[in-house]
Formats: sequence, structure tokens, C-alpha cells
Amino acid sequence: ETGVTQTPRHLVMGMTNKKSLKCEQHLGHNAMYWYKQSAKKPLELMFVYNFKEQTENNSVPSRFSPECPNSSHLFLHLHTLQPEDSALYLCASSFSGRSYEQYFGPGTRLTVT
Amino acid sequence: GQQVMQIPQYQHVQEGEDFTTYCNSSTTLSNIQWYKQRPGGHPVFLIQLVKSGEVKKQKRLTFQFGEAKKNSSLHITATQTTDVGTYFCAGDFGNEKLTFGTGTRLTIIP
Repeated sequence: ETGVTQTPRHLVMGMTNKKSLKCEQHLGHNAMYWYKQSAKKPLELMFVYNFKEQTENNSVPSRFSPECPNSSHLFLHLHTLQPEDSALYLCASSFSGRSYEQYFGPGTRLTVT
Repeated sequence: GQQVMQIPQYQHVQEGEDFTTYCNSSTTLSNIQWYKQRPGGHPVFLIQLVKSGEVKKQKRLTFQFGEAKKNSSLHITATQTTDVGTYFCAGDFGNEKLTFGTGTRLTIIP
């Protein structure tokens, strides 16, 4: 499945580093999502973008900064992360409106040291 | 807040046995979706249920939506090793909030 791609697939970063996660969808969708998946909270919605506009921020700390330049691309900029931020970060896309099924990318496995 | 509870959290079954996971909400859902995540993989959409009392089948998988649209279930008949993974339900409360359940991790004993 190559509808939603994510890079990098694995990332190890120190707490003082700045890195970015990238997501790209080739499905013609207009909504994109960032999720955090960890052992404690299986699927935790972070951000939602509809037609490039952020429509939801689930009280995510400011050390996570999303960017959506167009409906096909989504970034998650990371800076001064904490070890507890280590998790699988999943990107998803769908047609606008939550009733449509979401297509997930393979995720980025992030480890913060 | 609006939550979707899913049980059990874990289920171990012998190959060939049946498996069921349940999803419950305290408030009425507009619709419910089911996803499967294989070990090391990402969630993959399985199905969406919209109507009260709706039942849909996909081969050995049977999905049901309760009459009150507050609960749903996924039943797998005669499990196979390919069924291994975590099954998530995701509820739409009709206010553009798709909320995922905590998932049920299914392991198969050969």
C-alpha cells in the first residue's frame, strides 16, 4: 500500500535536537491527521487539517508543531522533546469529514534519548 | 468527554476458535468504523456501520451495530493465524470527532 507514505520510518533524536516528520498522501484526500500510538494510549489524535487549515489540536504540547502546506503534504516539526514522547507517530488521510474512512501511513518510530 | 470503550484488551485463542471484541459508547454514535492493525503495521480500515441494528459480513468476520447505536461488535469465526493483530473500533459522534477505542489485541495459539 503506497497511498500514504511517511518518512523517516525510524528516528532517534536527543532532547535538544530539532527534526521533522513528513507525510504525503496520493489519494486525493483533503483531510490529514497526526496520531500518536504508544503502549499507554493506543491511538491518540494529535492534529487534524481540513483543506490545509488546522481544525483540531488535542491539547498537544507546543514542542510538536504541525505544518500543512497543501492537502497532500503534512509535517510534524519536533523540538526539545522528552523521553515520554517516544512512540509511533502515524499520519492518516481521508476525504473531509470524519465519517469517511481514514487511510494510515506506515508510521515513524520515534525514540527520544 | 466522549469515549469509546473496547473489551477485552487482550484475547488469546486457539486456532479455529471464535473471537469477539466489543465496543461501547455512553452516547449515541452516528456511525462506527473498524480497523485492523497487524503486528508492526498500521491500522487498516475494515468496515463502516451506519444504520441501527446493521449487520455486515466479510468472509469469516461479522460486524454488528446495536439497535441503540451505542455499541458494536466484531466476531471472527474459526480464527486463523492471519487474524493476528489489534482490532480497533472508531466511533463518530456526529460532531466530526472520530474517537478510537483502546483496541483488542488478538493472538492465535497454533
